[in-house]
Parts: sequence; C-alpha cells; structure tokens
Amino acid sequence: AQSVTQLGSHVSVSEGALVLLRCNYSSSVPPYLFWYVQYPNQGLQLLLKYTSAATLVKGINGFEAEFKKSETSFHLTKPSAHMSDAAEYFCAVAPSGGYQKVTFGTGTKLQVIP
Amino acid sequence: EAGVAQSPRYKIIEKRQSVAFWCNPISGHATLYWYQQILGQGPKLLIQFQNNGVVDDSQLPKDRFSAERLKGVDSTLKIQPAKLEDSAVYLCASSPATGTDSYNSPLHFGNGTRLTVT
Repeated sequence: AQSVTQLGSHVSVSEGALVLLRCNYSSSVPPYLFWYVQYPNQGLQLLLKYTSAATLVKGINGFEAEFKKSETSFHLTKPSAHMSDAAEYFCAVAPSGGYQKVTFGTGTKLQVIP
Repeated sequence: EAGVAQSPRYKIIEKRQSVAFWCNPISGHATLYWYQQILGQGPKLLIQFQNNGVVDDSQLPKDRFSAERLKGVDSTLKIQPAKLEDSAVYLCASSPATGTDSYNSPLHFGNGTRLTVT
C-alpha cells in the first residue's frame, strides 16, 4: 500500500519569499515520487520526479525537491516565489516497477501575495 | 506536439441521466488513464489502459461507469446512470511508457471535463 500526505491545504507566501510545500509518503516498496502543478481550469503538469537517482531533484520553473528516506519526505521548495507560481500543487507516489497505480495527495493551494 | 485532447470541457446533467467523455491522447502514447478529481481532493485513478487492454480498473464503479479504448488510441468514459456524487472533473492522461515500469514516465494530462450532476 502507498499514500502521500500533504501538510497544509493552503499556503500563502509573499512574492520573493521562500516556498516550502510539504509531502510525506508511505510505501512498502522503494517509491517513485512526483510533484505536479495544476493551474485553474487546466490539467496537471509535471514539475519534477524522483526515480531513485539523485536525492535532490531539480524541476521546471526553479522548483526543487529533496528525497529524504529517513524522514519519508519529499518537500518541494523554491527560493523566491513569483506571482505566476500561484496554483495547486500535488505530490504523488508510485511503486518502482509494476502496474500499481499512482496515488496523489490532496493538494496544496499556493497563494502568492504581492 | 499536440497535447491530450478532451471533450466536452463542461457538462451539466440531471441525476439518473447518462453522459460520455472523450479523450484523444498524445500520438504514440501507449498508456492512457482516466482520473476523477472531486473538488478539494487529489485525482483518483479510475482506469488505466495499455494500448487497448485494461491494466487497472480496481477503483472504477463498474455498476455505472464504463470505459473503452477499442483501437488503442482514443478513449471514451461513460457514466450511466449518474449520481450526485459523480460531480467532479474527469481528467485523461497519457504516457509513452510500456511495460511494468510504466510509472517512471510522467503523465501528460488534458484540461479535463467538469461534470455537474443536479
């Protein structure tokens, strides 16, 4: 069984401030981990993924995430928030190998205050 | 490349009516997924196809939902009869991956169909 927990359904940051979105996972096998972003009235778009290579993963739009096995975490960060970062962010987990499904978290809505 | 196409974008129906959604994946993508996203929740996988075969439909309410991908390209998801709790956004996604390690490849999502059941 696998699951992800995203702490905080809403996060507000000031423009230029650090963005930190939290994700903890649970998986019985080594996981693949993903962050997706969803803009209003659009589908989800991949930001970055961890597939057991480097633990620090860099994605698009200046985002990065670090896989920490000891903490079962995969938090998403960006040093300086931009107005265009306002969106909903989903963490997701999938087992490495096999046909088992990707499981998404409940999402975190990021608000950027000018 | 053209993205995942879905239609319609919006649909409003009364409970007990039927509805169908259409998805055309990115050309050449072997794997196609239908997700249900209820307001305030993350997407939930309904069904996954690889080519025209079903890989996973464990969370599809088969008494009212059906899906097909007859020629391994586009797909249709149907609900009959609809219930109030089916109100959600239905997302289609595709992936070029094949084989058992399919989740190493990212999913490419369409813009979804927003269904309102009254």
